[in-house]
Amino acid sequence: DAKTTQPNSMESNEEEPVHLPCNHSTISGTDYIHWYRQLPSQGPEYVIHGLTSNVNNRMASLAIAEDRKSSTLILHRATLRDAAVYYCILSGLGTSYGKLTFGQGTILTVHP
Amino acid sequence: EAQVTQNPRYLITVTGKKLTVTCSQNMNHEYMSWYRQDPGLGLRQIYYSMNVEVTDKGDVPEGYKVSRKEKRNFPLILESPSPNQTSLYFCASSLSSGGNTEAFFGQGTRLTVV
Repeated sequence: DAKTTQPNSMESNEEEPVHLPCNHSTISGTDYIHWYRQLPSQGPEYVIHGLTSNVNNRMASLAIAEDRKSSTLILHRATLRDAAVYYCILSGLGTSYGKLTFGQGTILTVHP
Repeated sequence: EAQVTQNPRYLITVTGKKLTVTCSQNMNHEYMSWYRQDPGLGLRQIYYSMNVEVTDKGDVPEGYKVSRKEKRNFPLILESPSPNQTSLYFCASSLSSGGNTEAFFGQGTRLTVV
């Protein structure tokens, strides 16, 4: 399975933008880039996903590099409720039957 | 409301006593799976199901069984639980197994085997 690399932790201040990077240099052409987050004591929660083009939804934006070897999850205005572990995951025909391979993720701390 | 429901949320049991963790989704999803989460090891897939009566092993299937008799339900069965199965378990569902779909996760079941 193609792997992703994320920083172990990042910090932000409330109401400031947060850019969470992810490297996936071995991504295959059919892999989608997914982001999930896990708040304390909860199950993982879908954030956003994309293939080639940048994507926006109500939660975040996903910026995908032109060569697709890296991507960035953008939280436009961090709130205390955004403090969570963020996982960057590849999913598609290049991975095994829909399995989501969770790495260690990035622990995001948001300061008031 | 779209959701994946797991029961129970917490369970303490003794070694060897068979147990079942239920999982139900209300989104008519074809793909369902079970994960376990352990400190330092992240989430690992136990079993998955592509559709009714179609199940297959994930990365850590030993000691577990599953069944998929109805589309909405995907129970996880531990025939003879052991302490190394103490973990946090999550059920997930998605429309399909393709990459262009989001997965929905349950709230988790914290299992302790003594």
